[in-house]
Amino acid sequence: DVKVTQSSRYLVKRTGEKVFLECVQDMDHENMFWYRQDPGLGLRLIYFSYDVKMKEKGDIPEGYSVSREKKERFSLILESASTNQTSMYLCASRPPRREDGYGYTFGSGTRLTVV
Amino acid sequence: AQKITQTQPGMFVQEKEAVTLDCTYDTSDPSYGLFWYKQPSSGEMIFLIYQGSYDQQNATEGRYSLNFQKARKSANLVISASQLGDSAMYFCAMREGGTNDYKLSFGAGTTVTVRA
Repeated sequence: DVKVTQSSRYLVKRTGEKVFLECVQDMDHENMFWYRQDPGLGLRLIYFSYDVKMKEKGDIPEGYSVSREKKERFSLILESASTNQTSMYLCASRPPRREDGYGYTFGSGTRLTVV
Repeated sequence: AQKITQTQPGMFVQEKEAVTLDCTYDTSDPSYGLFWYKQPSSGEMIFLIYQGSYDQQNATEGRYSLNFQKARKSANLVISASQLGDSAMYFCAMREGGTNDYKLSFGAGTTVTVRA
């Protein structure tokens, strides 16, 4: 089974800090994603990456950046954390096209609190 | 416009009964896929079931079935014989075709609480 691992389950950071959320997958998937989850809003796509060093903005990229230096690792960066970035962050990985309905495998999530 | 609508924020169901979770979607793409995910309190998202837009039969996976009504743009999840472990949040999601085929759009979710 594909495993997607997020390095932290809970994080507390101060306003203005630079925050790194790390995600690693072990199945050689090209596609990786970062979502944030907020009550009543479901999951919203922040950024995704379809290959090493390749990235594209999702629906809510403002205040975030990403890094993908290696295929298995996709990092989400909050350049200057703000309280409105307090949320649950979910990383996901996707198999190649034409497999398994193109569904995602998710990590366990990182609950970030910015104080 | 909202692509996925889940109108039930929360539901209670008695153990061993069936429950239907509503999902409607909005797309003009003829090729799309519909997914249901379960999120227990632990936070991980668990894939439950998938329905392709061209699939002739409704998808089933164990106690989960997807009631796909294409003309109504509806993809309701039915959980039969509910168990206490089914208590979780459930998300409906859609993948469209073409240049957006990487992306899953999610609904707001429905919280299911199974009572003993």
